Amino acid sequence: GAVVSQHPSRVICKSGTSVKIECRSLDFQATTMFWYRQFPKKSLMLMATSNEGSKATYEQGVEKDKFLINHASLTLSTLTVTSAHPEDSSFYICSARAPRDTSYEQYFGPGTRLTVT
Amino acid sequence: AQKITQTQPGMFVQEKEAVTLDCTYDTSDPSYGLFWYKQPSSGEMIFLIYQGSYDQQNATEGRYSLNFQKARKSANLVISASQLGDSAMYFCAMREGNSNNAGNMLTFGGGTRLMVKP
Repeated sequence: GAVVSQHPSRVICKSGTSVKIECRSLDFQATTMFWYRQFPKKSLMLMATSNEGSKATYEQGVEKDKFLINHASLTLSTLTVTSAHPEDSSFYICSARAPRDTSYEQYFGPGTRLTVT
Repeated sequence: AQKITQTQPGMFVQEKEAVTLDCTYDTSDPSYGLFWYKQPSSGEMIFLIYQGSYDQQNATEGRYSLNFQKARKSANLVISASQLGDSAMYFCAMREGNSNNAGNMLTFGGGTRLMVKP
């Protein structure tokens, strides 16, 4: 099946620094990717929808200037957490829109665990 | 209002027994899709099963089946012959709109933690 990778899988950074997380579709082209955030023992909350070649669509309450999303190619979307704070510590998961001939529709990456100290 | 509700935060099941995980949903869109995902402690989201709103038959995938009751707006996941490896978080999710909108955003329920006892 389609594979989505995320890099890094874990990152620890200091407060005030920026962190970039990559989401790649390895064997298919993804015109749309999604970024989710998951707090411990909580559900996935959609942060934004990333479309190749256009600006991301952010969900209500998500700061666009803090969570920068760039979908520069059909296989790569990046999420940059700018000026990270401890409250940004979370599990970030991306998913990519699957080719139309499957019922899966979205393939998920393995997630990135961000810890801000 | 919650679009996807999973009322069981945690459940135990004896190994080899069947278990039902509840999911109710709320939508006014006649076209929608319902998904179940498994999330082990590693964090990856593993797709289990899909049910389209117009599908006449309940979806089945191996030991997983979806008890789709459209009038009640419920889409419960049934796992038969539970295994120790089934211990994980389980999320129900919904996509509103038809499959031509494949890849529309998913809305997730709060999840159910399933623990399989040996």
